[in-house]
Amino acid sequence: DAKTTQPNSMESNEEEPVHLPCNHSTISGTDYIHWYRQLPSQGPEYVIHGLTSNVNNRMASLAIAEDRKSSTLILHRATLRDAAVYYCILSNNNAGNMLTFGGGTRLMVKP
Amino acid sequence: DVKVTQSSRYLVKRTGEKVFLECVQDMDHENMFWYRQDPGLGLRLIYFSYDVKMKEKGDIPEGYSVSREKKERFSLILESASTNQTSMYLCASSFAGQKISTDTQYFGPGTRLTVL
Repeated sequence: DAKTTQPNSMESNEEEPVHLPCNHSTISGTDYIHWYRQLPSQGPEYVIHGLTSNVNNRMASLAIAEDRKSSTLILHRATLRDAAVYYCILSNNNAGNMLTFGGGTRLMVKP
Repeated sequence: DVKVTQSSRYLVKRTGEKVFLECVQDMDHENMFWYRQDPGLGLRLIYFSYDVKMKEKGDIPEGYSVSREKKERFSLILESASTNQTSMYLCASSFAGQKISTDTQYFGPGTRLTVL
């Protein structure tokens, strides 16, 4: 299974952009890149996903490297509510929609 | 909005007791999942089901069983609870679309189970 590597933790100031990196050097051509986040005392929630092109939605943007070996989740203006653990996950049809969660990045947002 | 609910937020049981954790989703999703989450180990898949009465083992099925009698309900059963099953249990569901790899999983709030 393709694995992802993320920093254990990152810090950001409120109202500033945050770039959360993820390395996935063994990604295969059919793997989608998903991001989920887990707020304190809650279950994980979907943030965004992509295959090759950069993606935007109301929560965040996903920038995918041209060789697809890394990606970056971008929060354009961090708020205190964005403090969470962010998980970068690969999935493909062969795995039957199974998501393998790694350790994630704990994002701390300072006021 | 998709809603996944779990029967309890907190549960305390004694060693040897039979424990039922219930999960209900209201979006007519085919797939349902049970995970446990432990500090330093992340989320680990226990069992999943892709249809009524169907079940598949995940990464750590030992000591657990599941039941899916109705599409909206997926139960996790601890036949004889042990202290090493103290954990946060998370249920999730997803729609089985044609592009499985893009299906979003929707999670419940979790049940924190303590086995004494």
